Amino acid sequence: LAKTTQPISMDSYEGQEVNITCSHNNIATNDYITWYQQFPSQGPRFIIQGYKTKVTNEVASLFIPADRKSSTLSLPRVSLSDTAVYYCLVGERPFGNEKLTFGTGTRLTIIP
Amino acid sequence: KAGVTQTPRYLIKTRGQQVTLSCSPISGHRSVSWYQQTPGQGLQFLFEYFSETQRNKGNFPGRFSGRQFSNSRSEMNVSTLELGDSALYLCASSLTSGFTYEQYFGPGTRLTVT
Repeated sequence: LAKTTQPISMDSYEGQEVNITCSHNNIATNDYITWYQQFPSQGPRFIIQGYKTKVTNEVASLFIPADRKSSTLSLPRVSLSDTAVYYCLVGERPFGNEKLTFGTGTRLTIIP
Repeated sequence: KAGVTQTPRYLIKTRGQQVTLSCSPISGHRSVSWYQQTPGQGLQFLFEYFSETQRNKGNFPGRFSGRQFSNSRSEMNVSTLELGDSALYLCASSLTSGFTYEQYFGPGTRLTVT
């Protein structure tokens, strides 16, 4: 599983757009990029997944440059309820012998 | 449809005992994975089961084991509990085995070892 690097923490004000960048320099050709969100004392929740360029769903967008060595999760107009830890994962379909490792994640705090 | 359920939600055990945790996946999901989450180590993968077979295993000692039944329900067992086993144990299910398949997590079982 490709190693990922994310900022440990970020603060933002309500209503702003938040961008969290994940670095994955040794991403492999078959690897996909997935983001999860976790609230305290709950299991992680899938946010978005992509392979290249841009992916958008009802809660977030994922931007992946051409070299795929990094990715950016974009949360539009955040609210207090977006305060959580966000994990970036990189891995291959199918699992094979890969092991899903969440890393330390980014603790996002939304300020009123 | 119903989400992933885990029982019990909270558990207190003493060192040396063993414990069994249960996970019921979302209906139709055939893959179940287990994770351990602690403040110091974060979220670590324990193992994954698919169609009653262990497909992947993380770097945990043999005291941690699991199994999956024909209805996809899964159990994990920890024998000879140590203080360091105190953690939130999370179960996740997905339609099939594979990184790109969205995992749905349960609420977890909070295990405290005294």
